Amino acid sequence: ETGVTQSPTHLIKTRGQQVTLRCSSQSGHNTVSWYQQALGQGPQFIFQYYREEENGRGNFPPRFSGLQFPNYSSELNVNALELDDSALYLCASSWDRGTGNTIYFGEGSWLTVV
Amino acid sequence: KQEVTQIPAALSVPEGENLVLNCSFTDSAIYNLQWFRQDPGKGLTSLLLIQSSQREQTSGRLNASLDKSSGRSTLYIAASQPGDSATYLCAVRLNSGGYQKVTFGTGTKLQVIP
Repeated sequence: ETGVTQSPTHLIKTRGQQVTLRCSSQSGHNTVSWYQQALGQGPQFIFQYYREEENGRGNFPPRFSGLQFPNYSSELNVNALELDDSALYLCASSWDRGTGNTIYFGEGSWLTVV
Repeated sequence: KQEVTQIPAALSVPEGENLVLNCSFTDSAIYNLQWFRQDPGKGLTSLLLIQSSQREQTSGRLNASLDKSSGRSTLYIAASQPGDSATYLCAVRLNSGGYQKVTFGTGTKLQVIP
């Protein structure tokens, strides 16, 4: 158990819809990052939030957005869903932007877009 | 752009055998490297974290080494067991404009045969 919890665990959406995924970070961790993992691939970095502000972003379009709340929990929002968005979405938490510290992952949210 | 490669992509060994998983990266200016294990349909479990100033880390039957200058890391698993069957991922961290960008390899799928 890493202490990082994600919800929902599985969901199915239709192309064009919007989805919100949620993550509760490990206690004491102020940095949350999100990753997309397609089947058979390694996770791809989407973005990172540190103390409620986005401070790093990977190669993902603006329809991928997020929030971090004062308790350091986080949301990932994806608008105008496409079939290629089908993947496992992983949340990871760490202390202080991950500087030298272990990153802990949740179990992920499986998103299927039909 | 940092690229991370893991060879082999898949490996099948009999129980009890010692084995080595390889990870190579193109940009040697990494902050640290972390090895993860991923069971089918699950999130990532952290195994070992090696800082850029370290040469190796050990945890139980696992030993990870890092040669930053040659862009290589290895994960050594001693006396493999069927419960070690999983996908093993390495991830390297680079400083990138105020945050640490994490790049994953595509993983090595390990099967330990009883």
